[in-house]
Amino acid sequence: DQQVKQNSPSLSVQEGRISILNCDYTNSMFDYFLWYKKYPAEGPTFLISISSIKDKNEDGRFTVFLNKSAKHLSLHIVPSQPGDSAVYFCAARGAGNKLTFGGGTRVLVKP
Amino acid sequence: DVKVTQSSRYLVKRTGEKVFLECVQDMDHENMFWYRQDPGLGLRLIYFSYDVKMKEKGDIPEGYSVSREKKERFSLILESASTNQTSMYLCASSYHARGNQPQHFGDGTRLSIL
Repeated sequence: DQQVKQNSPSLSVQEGRISILNCDYTNSMFDYFLWYKKYPAEGPTFLISISSIKDKNEDGRFTVFLNKSAKHLSLHIVPSQPGDSAVYFCAARGAGNKLTFGGGTRVLVKP
Repeated sequence: DVKVTQSSRYLVKRTGEKVFLECVQDMDHENMFWYRQDPGLGLRLIYFSYDVKMKEKGDIPEGYSVSREKKERFSLILESASTNQTSMYLCASSYHARGNQPQHFGDGTRLSIL
């Protein structure tokens, strides 16, 4: 049973527009949420995170929103750039610093 | 910058072989993790370690073991490789008790079992 789900396996967006990636979770004990970006043949790189006591965190073009009542988080990328084309994973931290990952969303930004 | 180094980028082994995947980090991190990544399944935790000589099972430990003899090094062992262990293997490390800290990943080892 997947505790973290990314229901959209892929997303295509025009350069300059907004990319919105979604992630749902089931475990209310998760206390810290992260987004990672992964290019082919490379390891995931940390992008942005949010603590469960906040509802928004912003870093440049990247903003993460957390809706605890809905057990939902989203990543907004504005404006999207061709270099943002990658696979994005959301992750949630549970007991013992363990992360549970979603299945990933492949983003393609068209020039 | 954090550096997590995995010893091989690509590896091809035969069914039944004992396979060793090595991971070294240079940031004095207490925590180290082994994941496998498969299409549509994201990253799944195999084993992790909070300290030297310590190990904990993750979500899919069957068929694997680990070794942590030194703080900077965490080895994943496939005792008798099988074709269903063909996958991308990712090592990660993080601080243990410094608030909210992300895990940092190596570039992965793509392992094929024939």
